[in-house]
Amino acid sequence: AQSVTQLDSQVPVFEEAPVELRCNYSSSVSVYLFWYVQYPNQGLQLLLKYLSGSTLVKGINGFEAEFNKSQTSFHLRKPSVHISDTAEYFCAVSSSAGGTSYGKLTFGQGTILTVHP
Amino acid sequence: GAVVSQHPSWVICKSGTSVKIECRSLDFQATTMFWYRQFPKKSLMLMATSNEGSKATYEQGVEKDKFLINHASLTLSTLTVTSAHPEDSSFYICSARDPGGERSGEQYFGPGTRLTVT
Repeated sequence: AQSVTQLDSQVPVFEEAPVELRCNYSSSVSVYLFWYVQYPNQGLQLLLKYLSGSTLVKGINGFEAEFNKSQTSFHLRKPSVHISDTAEYFCAVSSSAGGTSYGKLTFGQGTILTVHP
Repeated sequence: GAVVSQHPSWVICKSGTSVKIECRSLDFQATTMFWYRQFPKKSLMLMATSNEGSKATYEQGVEKDKFLINHASLTLSTLTVTSAHPEDSSFYICSARDPGGERSGEQYFGPGTRLTVT
């Protein structure tokens, strides 16, 4: 079984400030990790993903995340946010092993990022 | 990139009626699609996994007879909410697993369907 915890339900920041959205996960098997963004009344859009290789992953819209296996974390960062980054962000994991959980995404609770002018 | 559409985007129905939601992969074939439910200010809850040509696999606690899933072709899965009640009001989102990303579990999401049962 897997679980994902997003440590902050809401993160308010000012425009052009840096931001970090925290995500920790728990799994008994190896995982793939994802960050999705959801704008109001819309579906989810993939920001970035970690499958293997370099632990620093760069995504769209200037976001990046770092996979830390020892701390079971996959925090999302952006050095300078824009008003348009205001949205809800979801961290998700997928088992990389076989079995009944294969291919299924487990989501965190979501973090609402609000960028103020 | 891969595109997944949902129809309708918004539906209001009366209590006791049934509503069908369609999920289509527009430019790729999806042998596996997923249906999620999202409550206000909550995360996505996986309801079921829809496999083309076979019965859907439901998550624990999801009523199979209430949420009927049909995956009749490689580009279409449908979710029918039968005998809808106000507590079924929610945002329903489908996704299709990237056929090229079978081992990553990456999914492409539809825009969602807002269901309101009065």
